[in-house]
Amino acid sequence: GAGVSQTPSNKVTEKGKYVELRCDPISGHTALYWYRQSLGQGPEFLIYFQGTGAADDSGLPNDRFFAVRPEGSVSTLKIQRTERGDSAVYLCASSPGGGRDNEQFFGPGTRLTVL
Amino acid sequence: AQTVTQSQPEMSVQEAETVTLSCTYDTSESNYYLFWYKQPPSRQMILVIRQEAYKQQNATENRFSVNFQKAAKSFSLKISDSQLGDTAMYFCAFMKRNTGNQFYFGTGTSLTVIP
Repeated sequence: GAGVSQTPSNKVTEKGKYVELRCDPISGHTALYWYRQSLGQGPEFLIYFQGTGAADDSGLPNDRFFAVRPEGSVSTLKIQRTERGDSAVYLCASSPGGGRDNEQFFGPGTRLTVL
Repeated sequence: AQTVTQSQPEMSVQEAETVTLSCTYDTSESNYYLFWYKQPPSRQMILVIRQEAYKQQNATENRFSVNFQKAAKSFSLKISDSQLGDTAMYFCAFMKRNTGNQFYFGTGTSLTVIP
């Protein structure tokens, strides 16, 4: 079956612009995660959804970052007033839930470049 | 807070030889999971191996095995019979069990397999 997909693969924007990054999890997976991977670093947790609700958003760096998952499937990460420091690869992962949240399947990421 | 440390930024190994990647972590939790993920240039994070902290037996997966030392908070990855396709970034990751579900990643080790 299809894995986690993310669109776009690459996004170049200008400082101050608004961007949306999309994640399509594996069908039937109830849990969804967003991570940010800066150059030369490991991924850092941003937010975790269980179903439609954000169960843990403690990793969001500031109020310019927001994520939604309105129907419990596709999720969108939204970044307002982008800054050059937001440049990174944004990874999405999903897991089956139901006690199997240690099985996280990652997408290929979106590389965001803020000029 | 949980921290994961990978002290080897880069390593290389001759094809068919064995290499060991190091990882240490710091936590006050007693119940958790540890993982090794592989990230090739395609950016896709691929699960290599997983260890449950309550299991004393070291996990193995074909050519990949771990040396899990819970008291020392050490979790090294051994790759036997290295293949060219093993060339990638390798990330060690920690996840608390039952709460949070987020992964904490190390900074990665870049492994090059030399023909």
